[in-house]
Amino acid sequence: RKEVEQDPGPFNVPEGATVAFNCTYSNSASQSFFWYRQDCRKEPKLLMSVYSSGNEDGRFTAQLNRASQYISLLIRDSKLSDSATYLCVVRPMNYGGSQGNLIFGKGTKLSVKP
Amino acid sequence: EAQVTQNPRYLITVTGKKLTVTCSQNMNHEYMSWYRQDPGLGLRQIYYSMNVEVTDKGDVPEGYKVSRKEKRNFPLILESPSPNQTSLYFCASRMKPGGGDYGYTFGSGTRLTVV
Repeated sequence: RKEVEQDPGPFNVPEGATVAFNCTYSNSASQSFFWYRQDCRKEPKLLMSVYSSGNEDGRFTAQLNRASQYISLLIRDSKLSDSATYLCVVRPMNYGGSQGNLIFGKGTKLSVKP
Repeated sequence: EAQVTQNPRYLITVTGKKLTVTCSQNMNHEYMSWYRQDPGLGLRQIYYSMNVEVTDKGDVPEGYKVSRKEKRNFPLILESPSPNQTSLYFCASRMKPGGGDYGYTFGSGTRLTVV
């Protein structure tokens, strides 16, 4: 099983749609969870951290289910500017002996159309 | 402005000609890392460093070297580049975990072509 797995997409949605991204991770001892956004040929940028209680930032809601080792990102009222690739990122407890490393999913591409 | 600076942004080189991609951060971060990104393969870690003079291999270290002589700098060295090292490279840094976990800050990337 891959360490961090995401649906590659692409997701093609109309403006205003609600879109959900899902991600599963294999290391049950994982400590921290993030969603990153990457525009074409640009660097990944932190979108939001994901907390056990779930968290919301405007139109974006992230949820974590530790029992199922599952993370989600919901975007409501999607905008053209939301078009990007969304990366699920996990910090395992003991990966490589370093607590600093992050494991990236391959990303899900979102295309929001007018 | 807090940032990770990579240079150069674009580089075309020939097989076997040694090159260095520089990376510098001004946030006093302990952790630094190099990734390469290829279509369909996502971000793959090359090397990482937990602090000055502490480096370790990531998932794809073959053909690369790094050094961490100062906290702010983490250069990536290709001693004898080959065409399969043509890729988009990212440097990233982050604080030591504990007291808040903010993930990595990435540099703008270096697009390397080896012919």
